[in-house]
Amino acid sequence: GQNIDQPTEMTATEGAIVQINCTYQTSGFNGLFWYQQHAGEAPTFLSYNVLDGLEEKGRFSSFLSRSKGYSYLLLKELQMKDSASYLCAVRTGAGSYQLTFGKGTKLSVIP
Amino acid sequence: SAVISQKPSRDICQRGTSLTIQCQVDSQVTMMFWYRQQPGQSLTLIATANQGSEATYESGFVIDKFPISRPNLTFSTLTVSNMSPEDSSIYLCSVSTGNTEAFFGQGTRLTVV
Repeated sequence: GQNIDQPTEMTATEGAIVQINCTYQTSGFNGLFWYQQHAGEAPTFLSYNVLDGLEEKGRFSSFLSRSKGYSYLLLKELQMKDSASYLCAVRTGAGSYQLTFGKGTKLSVIP
Repeated sequence: SAVISQKPSRDICQRGTSLTIQCQVDSQVTMMFWYRQQPGQSLTLIATANQGSEATYESGFVIDKFPISRPNLTFSTLTVSNMSPEDSSIYLCSVSTGNTEAFFGQGTRLTVV
């Protein structure tokens, strides 16, 4: 079976750094995705990791350890507009493009 | 990247009726998917829309309830049939243009009364 775990909710202060963790146990692995979803809107793509290590993209970074089944999304210099749900998703099959999603982490950024 | 137009954006429907959701992409894409997001929940894959053949459904979803068409590489429809209040959800079309990204339409917010 597929199991993807991430915290349900987090709160952080504007200007700070927050790390959102994701652990997965899946029958296969072909990449891990992070999406941002504001309330009432569609998910938007943030990052993709398929090899171990850190991928940096502006204020957002994503890390992957395949041996540990672990990823995190790091958000720096938090802004109020970063308040959203962050979804971790795993692509499980080679040549297969569908994603299995975690339940999402609702991040609240406070002044 | 791919630009996805999904419509309707929202609808309120009577139970027992059916609604067809359309997904139009601005470029040819190999893979198209339909997801459901129930209130307060994450996304669940309904099916993969295959061009020129029957869709591939995930466990718990059947063709009679969620018929899907994919007549070409830029367009797909999902029908929610014989609706009940439990079908109230957001339905999302997604496409993959390669190995590294997957994009979503704006979603269809369905309320069944």
